[in-house]
Amino acid sequence: NAGVTQTPKFQVLKTGQSMTLQCAQDMNHNSMYWYRQDPGMGLRLIYYSASEGTTDKGEVPNGYNVSRLNKREFSLRLESAAPSQTSVYFCASRDRAANPLTDTQYFGPGTRLTVL
Amino acid sequence: DQQVKQNSPSLSVQEGRISILNCDYTNSMFDYFLWYKKYPAEGPTFLISISSIKDKNEDGRFTVFLNKSAKHLSLHIVPSQPGDSAVYFCAASPYGNKLVFGAGTILRVKS
Repeated sequence: NAGVTQTPKFQVLKTGQSMTLQCAQDMNHNSMYWYRQDPGMGLRLIYYSASEGTTDKGEVPNGYNVSRLNKREFSLRLESAAPSQTSVYFCASRDRAANPLTDTQYFGPGTRLTVL
Repeated sequence: DQQVKQNSPSLSVQEGRISILNCDYTNSMFDYFLWYKKYPAEGPTFLISISSIKDKNEDGRFTVFLNKSAKHLSLHIVPSQPGDSAVYFCAASPYGNKLVFGAGTILRVKS
Protein backbone atom coordinates (compact mmCIF):
# COMPACT_ATOMS: atom_id res chain seq x y z
CA ASN A 1 0.00 0.00 0.00
CA ALA A 2 1.91 3.05 -1.30
CA GLY A 3 -0.70 5.62 -0.19
CA VAL A 4 -0.33 8.83 -2.22
CA THR A 5 2.53 9.00 -4.73
CA GLN A 6 3.74 12.04 -6.64
CA THR A 7 6.07 12.43 -9.61
CA PRO A 8 8.47 14.02 -10.15
CA LYS A 9 10.11 14.76 -6.79
CA PHE A 10 12.05 17.73 -8.15
CA GLN A 11 11.73 19.85 -11.27
CA VAL A 12 13.39 22.98 -12.63
CA LEU A 13 11.61 24.89 -15.39
CA LYS A 14 12.31 28.01 -17.36
CA THR A 15 9.69 30.76 -17.47
CA GLY A 16 7.07 29.91 -20.07
CA GLN A 17 7.65 26.15 -20.09
CA SER A 18 4.82 23.77 -19.33
CA MET A 19 4.69 20.64 -17.22
CA THR A 20 2.32 18.23 -15.54
CA LEU A 21 2.62 17.02 -11.96
CA GLN A 22 1.27 13.54 -11.46
CA CYS A 23 -0.51 12.18 -8.41
CA ALA A 24 -1.95 8.74 -7.73
CA GLN A 25 -3.54 7.12 -4.67
CA ASP A 26 -4.24 3.45 -3.99
CA MET A 27 -6.65 3.90 -1.06
CA ASN A 28 -9.80 4.02 -3.20
CA HIS A 29 -10.52 7.54 -1.96
CA ASN A 30 -13.14 9.65 -3.67
CA SER A 31 -11.68 13.12 -3.05
CA MET A 32 -8.30 14.43 -4.17
CA TYR A 33 -6.58 17.78 -3.66
CA TRP A 34 -3.65 19.85 -4.88
CA TYR A 35 -1.91 22.30 -2.52
CA ARG A 36 1.10 24.53 -2.72
CA GLN A 37 3.28 25.33 0.27
CA ASP A 38 5.18 28.58 0.46
CA PRO A 39 7.20 30.00 3.38
CA GLY A 40 4.99 31.86 5.84
CA MET A 41 1.82 30.89 3.93
CA GLY A 42 1.08 27.34 5.02
CA LEU A 43 -0.65 25.06 2.54
CA ARG A 44 -3.03 26.73 0.11
CA LEU A 45 -5.56 24.78 -1.92
CA ILE A 46 -5.15 25.09 -5.69
CA TYR A 47 -7.82 22.70 -7.01
CA TYR A 48 -9.74 19.76 -5.68
CA SER A 49 -11.87 16.93 -6.97
CA ALA A 50 -14.67 15.79 -4.69
CA SER A 51 -15.27 12.70 -6.80
CA GLU A 52 -14.28 11.18 -10.13
CA GLY A 53 -15.46 13.43 -12.94
CA THR A 54 -15.64 16.65 -10.93
CA THR A 55 -13.09 19.38 -10.27
CA ASP A 56 -13.37 22.71 -8.49
CA LYS A 57 -11.17 25.72 -7.87
CA GLY A 58 -9.56 26.30 -4.54
CA GLU A 59 -7.98 29.41 -3.06
CA VAL A 60 -5.19 29.94 -5.64
CA PRO A 61 -6.20 28.37 -9.01
CA ASN A 62 -4.79 30.97 -11.43
CA GLY A 63 -2.12 29.58 -13.75
CA TYR A 64 -3.07 25.95 -13.14
CA ASN A 65 -5.33 23.32 -14.65
CA VAL A 66 -6.23 19.88 -13.36
CA SER A 67 -7.49 16.58 -14.69
CA ARG A 68 -9.12 13.82 -12.68
CA LEU A 69 -8.09 11.05 -15.02
CA ASN A 70 -9.83 8.29 -13.06
CA LYS A 71 -10.52 7.54 -9.41
CA ARG A 72 -6.83 6.96 -8.69
CA GLU A 73 -5.15 9.79 -10.55
CA PHE A 74 -5.31 13.58 -10.32
CA SER A 75 -2.84 15.67 -12.33
CA LEU A 76 -1.88 19.33 -12.08
CA ARG A 77 -0.72 21.21 -15.17
CA LEU A 78 1.20 24.45 -15.47
CA GLU A 79 0.66 25.69 -19.01
CA SER A 80 3.16 28.57 -18.91
CA ALA A 81 5.27 28.49 -15.77
CA ALA A 82 6.13 31.72 -13.94
CA PRO A 83 8.68 32.36 -11.15
CA SER A 84 5.74 33.00 -8.77
CA GLN A 85 4.88 29.31 -9.17
CA THR A 86 8.12 28.24 -7.52
CA SER A 87 6.84 26.22 -4.60
CA VAL A 88 6.44 22.77 -3.08
CA TYR A 89 3.33 21.05 -4.39
CA PHE A 90 1.43 18.45 -2.39
CA CYS A 91 -1.29 16.13 -3.51
CA ALA A 92 -3.72 14.68 -0.97
CA SER A 93 -6.65 12.29 -0.94
CA ARG A 94 -9.56 11.70 1.43
CA ASP A 95 -12.60 9.51 1.84
CA ARG A 96 -15.38 10.64 4.10
CA ALA A 97 -15.24 8.68 7.36
CA ALA A 98 -18.16 7.78 9.57
CA ASN A 99 -16.25 9.19 12.53
CA PRO A 100 -15.42 12.87 11.93
CA LEU A 101 -12.38 12.60 14.15
CA THR A 102 -10.79 10.15 11.72
CA ASP A 103 -11.84 12.03 8.59
CA THR A 104 -8.55 13.34 7.36
CA GLN A 105 -6.54 13.97 4.23
CA TYR A 106 -3.53 11.83 3.36
CA PHE A 107 -0.65 13.63 1.69
CA GLY A 108 1.97 12.63 -0.84
CA PRO A 109 5.68 13.43 -0.35
CA GLY A 110 5.56 16.58 -2.50
CA THR A 111 7.15 17.96 -5.66
CA ARG A 112 9.67 20.76 -5.31
CA LEU A 113 9.33 23.02 -8.35
CA THR A 114 11.66 25.87 -9.26
CA VAL A 115 10.83 28.24 -12.10
CA LEU A 116 13.74 30.34 -13.33
CA ASP B 1 -7.19 37.52 4.98
CA GLN B 2 -5.91 34.49 6.85
CA GLN B 3 -8.75 32.60 8.47
CA VAL B 4 -6.37 30.37 10.44
CA LYS B 5 -3.36 31.96 12.12
CA GLN B 6 -0.36 30.47 13.83
CA ASN B 7 1.38 33.51 15.21
CA SER B 8 4.53 31.77 16.44
CA PRO B 9 6.79 30.82 13.51
CA SER B 10 8.99 28.74 15.80
CA LEU B 11 9.22 27.26 19.28
CA SER B 12 12.17 25.71 21.10
CA VAL B 13 11.61 23.36 24.05
CA GLN B 14 13.81 21.19 26.24
CA GLU B 15 13.33 17.42 26.00
CA GLY B 16 10.90 16.19 28.66
CA ARG B 17 9.12 19.55 29.01
CA ILE B 18 5.74 20.57 27.64
CA SER B 19 5.38 22.03 24.13
CA ILE B 20 2.37 24.28 23.56
CA LEU B 21 1.50 25.29 20.00
CA ASN B 22 -1.24 27.84 19.45
CA CYS B 23 -3.70 28.56 16.67
CA ASP B 24 -6.41 31.20 16.20
CA TYR B 25 -9.24 31.22 13.70
CA THR B 26 -11.74 33.80 12.52
CA ASN B 27 -14.48 31.84 10.74
CA SER B 28 -17.25 30.80 13.14
CA MET B 29 -18.46 28.27 10.53
CA PHE B 30 -15.47 26.05 11.25
CA ASP B 31 -16.58 23.04 13.25
CA TYR B 32 -13.69 20.66 12.85
CA PHE B 33 -10.04 21.31 13.69
CA LEU B 34 -6.94 19.25 12.98
CA TRP B 35 -3.22 19.29 13.62
CA TYR B 36 -0.77 17.95 11.07
CA LYS B 37 2.92 17.26 11.56
CA LYS B 38 5.48 17.62 8.78
CA TYR B 39 9.07 16.44 8.59
CA PRO B 40 11.47 17.86 5.97
CA ALA B 41 11.07 16.37 2.49
CA GLU B 42 7.86 14.55 3.51
CA GLY B 43 4.18 15.32 3.20
CA PRO B 44 2.13 16.41 6.23
CA THR B 45 0.71 13.60 8.34
CA PHE B 46 -2.41 13.76 10.49
CA LEU B 47 -1.75 14.02 14.20
CA ILE B 48 -4.95 14.75 16.12
CA SER B 49 -8.32 16.43 15.63
CA ILE B 50 -11.20 17.89 17.61
CA SER B 51 -14.82 18.60 16.87
CA SER B 52 -16.39 21.90 17.89
CA ILE B 53 -18.73 20.10 20.28
CA LYS B 54 -15.71 19.13 22.40
CA ASP B 55 -13.21 21.25 24.28
CA LYS B 56 -10.50 18.63 24.64
CA ASN B 57 -9.23 15.56 22.82
CA GLU B 58 -6.35 13.45 24.01
CA ASP B 59 -4.19 10.88 22.23
CA GLY B 60 -1.19 9.64 24.15
CA ARG B 61 1.26 12.51 24.61
CA PHE B 62 -0.81 14.84 22.45
CA THR B 63 -3.79 16.86 23.64
CA VAL B 64 -5.74 19.45 21.69
CA PHE B 65 -7.79 22.09 23.50
CA LEU B 66 -10.50 24.16 21.86
CA ASN B 67 -11.86 27.47 23.21
CA LYS B 68 -14.76 28.33 20.90
CA SER B 69 -15.58 31.65 22.52
CA ALA B 70 -12.00 32.83 21.97
CA LYS B 71 -11.71 31.05 18.59
CA HIS B 72 -8.49 29.54 19.81
CA LEU B 73 -7.03 26.08 19.90
CA SER B 74 -3.79 24.70 21.21
CA LEU B 75 -1.77 21.51 20.94
CA HIS B 76 0.05 20.27 24.03
CA ILE B 77 2.83 17.70 23.75
CA VAL B 78 3.88 16.15 27.06
CA PRO B 79 6.61 15.10 27.47
CA SER B 80 8.33 16.51 24.39
CA GLN B 81 10.82 14.26 22.61
CA PRO B 82 13.53 15.06 20.04
CA GLY B 83 11.54 13.10 17.44
CA ASP B 84 8.73 15.64 17.84
CA SER B 85 10.90 18.26 16.10
CA ALA B 86 8.92 19.13 12.98
CA VAL B 87 6.62 21.74 11.48
CA TYR B 88 3.11 21.67 12.96
CA PHE B 89 0.18 22.93 10.92
CA CYS B 90 -3.18 23.80 12.36
CA ALA B 91 -6.14 23.32 9.99
CA ALA B 92 -9.86 23.98 10.16
CA SER B 93 -12.99 23.27 8.14
CA PRO B 94 -16.71 22.81 8.17
CA TYR B 95 -16.85 18.98 8.41
CA GLY B 96 -16.51 17.25 5.10
CA ASN B 97 -15.37 20.35 3.31
CA LYS B 98 -12.08 21.93 2.32
CA LEU B 99 -9.35 22.44 4.88
CA VAL B 100 -7.86 25.86 5.63
CA PHE B 101 -4.32 25.70 6.96
CA GLY B 102 -2.28 28.01 9.14
CA ALA B 103 1.26 29.00 8.22
CA GLY B 104 2.84 26.43 10.52
CA THR B 105 5.07 26.48 13.62
CA ILE B 106 8.54 24.94 13.63
CA LEU B 107 9.06 22.99 16.85
CA ARG B 108 12.60 22.18 17.98
CA VAL B 109 13.00 19.84 20.92
CA LYS B 110 16.47 20.03 22.38
CA SER B 111 18.05 17.01 24.07
